[in-house]
Amino acid sequence: DVKVTQSSRYLVKRTGEKVFLECVQDMDHENMFWYRQDPGLGLRLIYFSYDVKMKEKGDIPEGYSVSREKKERFSLILESASTNQTSMYLCASSLEDRFYGYTFGSGTRLTVV
Amino acid sequence: GQNIDQPTEMTATEGAIVQINCTYQTSGFNGLFWYQQHAGEAPTFLSYNVLDGLEEKGRFSSFLSRSKGYSYLLLKELQMKDSASYLCALLGTDKLIFGTGTRLQVFP
Repeated sequence: DVKVTQSSRYLVKRTGEKVFLECVQDMDHENMFWYRQDPGLGLRLIYFSYDVKMKEKGDIPEGYSVSREKKERFSLILESASTNQTSMYLCASSLEDRFYGYTFGSGTRLTVV
Repeated sequence: GQNIDQPTEMTATEGAIVQINCTYQTSGFNGLFWYQQHAGEAPTFLSYNVLDGLEEKGRFSSFLSRSKGYSYLLLKELQMKDSASYLCALLGTDKLIFGTGTRLQVFP
């Protein structure tokens, strides 16, 4: 069964901390994505990557960065966590042919206090 | 740019049929997806339309009209487990853009 695995289901961090959210997929997918999901706003794209060491800004990249050193792993980094980054973070991956859609991880609910 | 509209909430009765509409505006179109998301869980793929018409998959069907910028998801013989959010997503030139989702509650 194909999988996208996010390292933490729930996370609580303090304001100003550097936070790493990890995502690993075992499907040999080229494309990986980070979204955040908030009530009334839906899923919003933060960053995405179509290849190793490649990254593209999504719609709301401010306050975030990403790293993709290996094909299977895509990390989201909050450089200095703030309370407005409290959210559900969803990682997804897809084949190069995006018409197959995305497979999502189970999400990380991050609370910044 | 891209814009997707879908109703925020809907309710229906077990055994009934419900239609969830999605309208969109986009400068580049490569298909429209529907995802189901139960509370606290990840979205899961339901259907994909790239050509006009109806795609049927068991109790679920999805329709697309590209000229009208319109899609709907039809759920038949509703079951309690169908209570979830349903996300309409547009595949533009390089990525999926999601609507805010429709929360469906099914009552006995």
